[in-house]
This record gives sequence, structure tokens and C-alpha cells, in this order.
Amino acid sequence: DAKTTQPPSMDCAEGRAANLPCNHSTISGNEYVYWYRQIHSQGPQYIIHGLKNNETNEMASLIITEDRKSSTLILPHATLRDTAVYYCIVRVPRTGTYKYIFGTGTRLKVLA
Amino acid sequence: NAGVTQTPKFQVLKTGQSMTLQCAQDMNHEYMSWYRQDPGMGLRLIHYSVGAGITDQGEVPNGYNVSRSTTEDFPLRLLSAAPSQTSVYFCASSLGQGNEKLFFGSGTQLSVL
Repeated sequence: DAKTTQPPSMDCAEGRAANLPCNHSTISGNEYVYWYRQIHSQGPQYIIHGLKNNETNEMASLIITEDRKSSTLILPHATLRDTAVYYCIVRVPRTGTYKYIFGTGTRLKVLA
Repeated sequence: NAGVTQTPKFQVLKTGQSMTLQCAQDMNHEYMSWYRQDPGMGLRLIHYSVGAGITDQGEVPNGYNVSRSTTEDFPLRLLSAAPSQTSVYFCASSLGQGNEKLFFGSGTQLSVL
């Protein structure tokens, strides 16, 4: 199964863009990349996902390299409420369903 | 909609005791799963289910049993708790088809003494 590698921590100034990288060099062609975040000890919250095209929604943008071996989550204007642990996840197809493989996450601290 | 509901929120067990962590969802999701979260380890998949009557093992299934008698419920059983099972447990569900996202419960913090 594909695995993800993320830096353990990052800081970002409030109002600036936060760019969170993820390596998934063993990803297969039909495996999606998902991003979730976890604030304090709450359940993880969905942010965005993609296969090979760049994606954008109201929360963030996802940039996936052409070879799909890495991706970057971009929070365009980070706020203090974006302080959280961000997980890059590969969704692996299984018979009739999917398996979500979590990495160890990046702890993002947004500084005032 | 309540979403994914987990009970209890906190539990303390003695080694060897048994207990069941409850998970229920009201979104008619086919896919349900259990994860455990330990410091520095991210979330690791314990068991999952693609529908009533169907379950399968994840990355760390040893010491845990599951069953799926209804679409709504997916309980996780610890038959003989061990200190290594001290963790935070999350239940998650999704529609189970196509391009959908996981919805997580608020977690159960379990301590085994």
C-alpha cells in the first residue's frame, strides 16, 4: 500500500499562505490523495482530495505533481483557527470499497 | 443529523477486562471503520466494513473484534484489554462508493491499567 511522508511540524504567519508538502512516491494510478485536519483531539475533518489534477475549494487548494509522487496543500490566507495537525492520506481501492492510509501528519502552528 | 456518534467518550479498564466501544451513524453509509491514534503514529486502521454482515481487517486488528449486524452500527470489542490498547479510538463512515469523504466521530479515549 502507498504510504505518505510529511514534515512533523511547520509554522506560518497569520494572513500568509501555508504550504504543506506530502510525499507519496509509491502511489498507484487509481489511488486518490486526501487531506484531513485534526484540531486538538477532535475527529479529523475533511479538507480536499484529488487524483491528478489540481483542485480548489473554499478551504484550500491541492497541487499534485505531474508524476503524482508528491502533493502540496495550500491554505491561502492562514488564520489562527487553522492551527491543527494536517494529514495527507492515500485512498487505496479494495474489492467493493476503499482503504484510507494515514501518515503521521504535520503540526501546523499559525502565528499571530 | 447526528452524523457519527461514539460512546463512551472516556473509559478506564483494568488489564484483562472486556468492553465494547459503540459507533453509530445516521447517514445510511455503507462503509464504516475503526482507527486508533497513538502519539507520533497518526491514525491506524483496525477493522472496516463495507456493509451489513461484511467486515475485514485493517493494519492493526489483533486484540479487537467487530461485527456489523445493521447498517447503522459498528461496535468494536476488546475481549481482554491490554495496556498496549491504551489509545484514542475513532470511528469513521462514508457512502462507500466513488469519490466520497470519511466522516469521523469525536473519539473514545481508552486507558488500560
